[in-house]
Amino acid sequence: DTGVSQDPRHKITKRGQNVTFRCDPISEHNRLYWYRQTLGQGPEFLTYFQNEAQLEKSRLLSDRFSAERPKGSFSTLEIQRTEQGDSAMYLCASSRTTYEQYFGPGTRLTVT
Amino acid sequence: GENVEQHPSTLSVQEGDSAVIKCTYSDSASNYFPWYKQELGKGPQLIIDIRSNVGEKKDQRIAVTLNKTAKHFSLHITETQPEDSAVYFCAAKPSLGNQGGKLIFGQGTELSVKP
Repeated sequence: DTGVSQDPRHKITKRGQNVTFRCDPISEHNRLYWYRQTLGQGPEFLTYFQNEAQLEKSRLLSDRFSAERPKGSFSTLEIQRTEQGDSAMYLCASSRTTYEQYFGPGTRLTVT
Repeated sequence: GENVEQHPSTLSVQEGDSAVIKCTYSDSASNYFPWYKQELGKGPQLIIDIRSNVGEKKDQRIAVTLNKTAKHFSLHITETQPEDSAVYFCAAKPSLGNQGGKLIFGQGTELSVKP
């Protein structure tokens, strides 16, 4: 399977802990996006990378959130000092152009 | 700011009937409109898309229409089957200051196809 992969698929953590998620895009895609989806809502844009450069960040991305794509391949999204409001599905997507974006299966985060 | 409104939020049809989902967008410079299907526990799957220089696009039982003047676009599914049951999301790609291509999503439509 050459689709977008995300790890882990599920994460349960206690409030105040740090968590890190990983996304592996489709191999020839140089654009990578992170979105957050809460129950009953559409995905909301968080941040965008072109190769290793982080070119756009949403105002949703508070100082507790950081994303990296060190070699222009996989990306990580870290949330520090998690809060219950961070509970959501974190989706990664990749694309070769500014058009078709292909999503991974997501990482479901539950903060207790 | 940029906004996409989607209706209806739920839609129930009989197998074989047609289903129509409608979206409106606020940024008149938006130039790309994809539709995604999301099944329970999975990520959104791109099913069809349309660019602003085209009024209609069809792929087998699925079609999308775009009215740029009215700033709305619609998804049409004909001859629905139970496996079409899922949540469908429309999205728009704002043009101004959006070199990266971020998408703005609607709130979703839960489609149920009854056998």
